[in-house]
Amino acid sequence: AQSVTQLDSQVPVFEEAPVELRCNYSSSVSVYLFWYVQYPNQGLQLLLKYLSGSTLVKGINGFEAEFNKSQTSFHLRKPSVHISDTAEYFCAVRASGGAQKLVFGQGTRLTINP
Amino acid sequence: EAGVAQSPRYKIIEKRQSVAFWCNPISGHATLYWYQQILGQGPKLLIQFQNNGVVDDSQLPKDRFSAERLKGVDSTLKIQPAKLEDSAVYLCASSLNNQPQHFGDGTRLSIL
Repeated sequence: AQSVTQLDSQVPVFEEAPVELRCNYSSSVSVYLFWYVQYPNQGLQLLLKYLSGSTLVKGINGFEAEFNKSQTSFHLRKPSVHISDTAEYFCAVRASGGAQKLVFGQGTRLTINP
Repeated sequence: EAGVAQSPRYKIIEKRQSVAFWCNPISGHATLYWYQQILGQGPKLLIQFQNNGVVDDSQLPKDRFSAERLKGVDSTLKIQPAKLEDSAVYLCASSLNNQPQHFGDGTRLSIL
């Protein structure tokens, strides 16, 4: 079975500052990793994914994440945030291969202050 | 491409009543998922369909929750009878050939 821990429940930052949202996972098998964003009263939108290959993956809205197998981490970063990035961010993991279910972390609420 | 459609967006019922949610996945997506998202938590998978067959329903409270996906397209999720702890957002998602899941906007259920 897989599990995900998002280390920060809330992250406040100022506009145009850099941000890192932390995610650690646990699994006994190889995994795929995802970051989703959820705006108020909306469903989840895929930001980026790691399936294989380069450990640095780039997603939409200027976000990127780095897969670190030795530290079992998949932290999300953005060099300069905007007010519109205010949302809930979820890290998720699934076992690679087959129709495997997604396991989500508890979420990190990112608040951008002007 | 049209996204995953869910209805209703909001529902308020009293405990012990029944309720049903509907989901129309993206055209051609064989895999359909229902998630429960309790306030302040990440989504939790309730049930996963591959076409009209159930792949995983290990976390579905089967004494009160049921789901079906007749003809392998639309799906309905039912709760009968509802309990206070069922208050949550119910999200439907679909995917194609193990590609990332696409989510609908969800149904927000409030139990009084």
